[in-house]
Amino acid sequence: AAGVIQSPRHLIKEKRETATLKCYPIPRHDTVYWYQQGPGQDPQFLISFYEKMQSDKGSIPDRFSAQQFSDYHSELNMSSLELGDSALYFCASSRRDNEKLFFGSGTQLSVL
Amino acid sequence: KQEVTQIPAALSVPEGENLVLNCSFTDSAIYNLQWFRQDPGKGLTSLLLIQSSQREQTSGRLNASLDKSSGRSTLYIAASQPGDSATYLCAVPGTGRRALTFGSGTRLQVQP
Repeated sequence: AAGVIQSPRHLIKEKRETATLKCYPIPRHDTVYWYQQGPGQDPQFLISFYEKMQSDKGSIPDRFSAQQFSDYHSELNMSSLELGDSALYFCASSRRDNEKLFFGSGTQLSVL
Repeated sequence: KQEVTQIPAALSVPEGENLVLNCSFTDSAIYNLQWFRQDPGKGLTSLLLIQSSQREQTSGRLNASLDKSSGRSTLYIAASQPGDSATYLCAVPGTGRRALTFGSGTRLQVQP
């Protein structure tokens, strides 16, 4: 069965650079969520989209932005990267009529 | 603000033991509760989802119970195996109906 696809799997950036993370939800899933998991931390909700519109917003820094496109894939754009942004970034998807979330394998971002 | 706590933080048991992982949440007005498994550096795999109207859910050797009024859930793992070694996280909808608030997890090690 198709799962949530995230790319890239690993990303290394330097301070003040920008990064773009991509997420391709499971087919027919209409909701996408982004989470950030720091080393030894639990996942923290950043932002979510339903039918290409932002639906919920969590602890997403102003330096980050995200959007969901017409094909339902989503991108998380991160600017002015800081050392503290180093984390595992997860995307999850779900269907509106089913509350179960399916997570991708994550993008490991390292900011040097 | 919803807070989720998991006890114990870490657990090491010999193979074959039955074990119980605990999860508590501060706001009992939840729609559901999910248990996830996370292997090191990997994504989250949904194990069980319990709706607020349900008392428990079972999947194979896993059984999760939910007591909304007391703000508690337990994950019972029967006849543990080394392959069960992972971090187990519980999560409840926090901000918005879908965005999840996670506990810090229980790191389980099953010794062969």
